[in-house]
Amino acid sequence: AQSVTQLDSHVSVSEGTPVLLRCNYSSSYSPSLFWYVQHPNKGLQLLLKYTSAATLVKGINGFEAEFKKSETSFHLTKPSAHMSDAAEYFCVVSTNTGGFKTIFGAGTRLFVKA
Amino acid sequence: DTAVSQTPKYLVTQMGNDKSIKCEQNLGHDTMYWYKQDSKKFLKIMFSYNNKELIINETVPNRFSPKSPDKAHLNLHINSLELGDSAVYFCASSQVGLSGNTIYFGEGSWLTVV
Repeated sequence: AQSVTQLDSHVSVSEGTPVLLRCNYSSSYSPSLFWYVQHPNKGLQLLLKYTSAATLVKGINGFEAEFKKSETSFHLTKPSAHMSDAAEYFCVVSTNTGGFKTIFGAGTRLFVKA
Repeated sequence: DTAVSQTPKYLVTQMGNDKSIKCEQNLGHDTMYWYKQDSKKFLKIMFSYNNKELIINETVPNRFSPKSPDKAHLNLHINSLELGDSAVYFCASSQVGLSGNTIYFGEGSWLTVV
């Protein structure tokens, strides 16, 4: 069985400060892990993905995430928040169990204060 | 060029009506999906097609009927619309490969039933 938990339903940061969005997963198989961003009234855009290569994954817009198997985590970080980062973020786990099964987290809403 | 495109983007209709949402992908992917996003941003998979064959059919009222004329198109038809059908519907596609199962989303169709 697999699951994904985003530990915060919303996170608020000031512009220019670091961003940390937390994601824990559970999977019986080697997972692929993704972060997507959804801006208001928009579709989901892929930020980055982990697929068993380097554990530190760099994505678009200065975001990165680190796969930590021992902690079953895949937290998303950015050194310095920008106003345009305000959006909904989804952590996703996908495993191939004779057919891919993909589970979406409940989402974390990021607020960025000026 | 838009990778996954869906129309219409906004749809307001009365209860009891029948409506369709069209989706096309130009990524050459074999798999297409319909997701429903509720007011709390929770994403739920509705259907998945692989090479025009239905492979995932979650617990969805049979008023919802997907149709895939070819692997680049997956349309969603909804009969006898109800208030609870109001949501954002996302079409998506993916290609299973060595880099996992990365899903690419359309911009969404905002359905409001009045």
